[in-house]
Amino acid sequence: EQLVESGGGLVKPGESLRLSCTVSGFTFSRAWMSWVRQAPGKGLEWVGRLKSRGAGGTTDYAAPLKGRFIISRDDSKDTLFLQMNSLKTEDTAVYFCVHLIYSGAYGVGEPQFASWGQGTLVTVSS
Amino acid sequence: DIVMTQSPLSLPVTPGEPASISCRSSQSLLHRNGNNFLDWLLQKPGQSPQLLIYLGSNRASGVPDRFSGSGSGTNFTLRISRVEAEDVGVYYCVQALQTPRTFGQGTKVEI
Repeated sequence: EQLVESGGGLVKPGESLRLSCTVSGFTFSRAWMSWVRQAPGKGLEWVGRLKSRGAGGTTDYAAPLKGRFIISRDDSKDTLFLQMNSLKTEDTAVYFCVHLIYSGAYGVGEPQFASWGQGTLVTVSS
Repeated sequence: DIVMTQSPLSLPVTPGEPASISCRSSQSLLHRNGNNFLDWLLQKPGQSPQLLIYLGSNRASGVPDRFSGSGSGTNFTLRISRVEAEDVGVYYCVQALQTPRTFGQGTKVEI
């Protein structure tokens, strides 16, 4: 499996940015996907999760990010997106794209963070 | 939200010696199906995290058998039977019971 994030960079507070994650090595249309971020020198923070279309295609977000961040997918291009609006300095982080897989019974609890991309750095600074 | 608390946050280790990390959750991760929805991740220096242990005690594919996970409910432990140099990095526990997914603070393991 390979997950490759792109789209990171330097933006000013209040601006928007869209990250992409292009995958290969698995059937993306069936995949549940997630974004996880890591501020410089800090721990891991869950951003949100997008189910496969077959599972409803619904999204779930960390409460502080809901309304500003939007996760979407283009199954025809094997690509996951993270639209980030009204960016704040505290959004500065490496953003990881993650393939989620149920290692136990499907649909019971949440799936595992099975495969990770290399991450893309987003810096929000004036 | 479920709060995950790890200890210690820093763990000096000696190659060949055992090591253990504790993780506690603010609510039980034991599902009625008998599984504990607790995973362990390892982030080696300069790398992305990788899945180490899932559902409390199951090693992910390719993970050496010197790693083991145990515990139930709200108390969990990751053990390394004999530490090797390649085991350095930051270990995270993460609950897999519900969203929002929440991580422990991380335990930095250093030789």
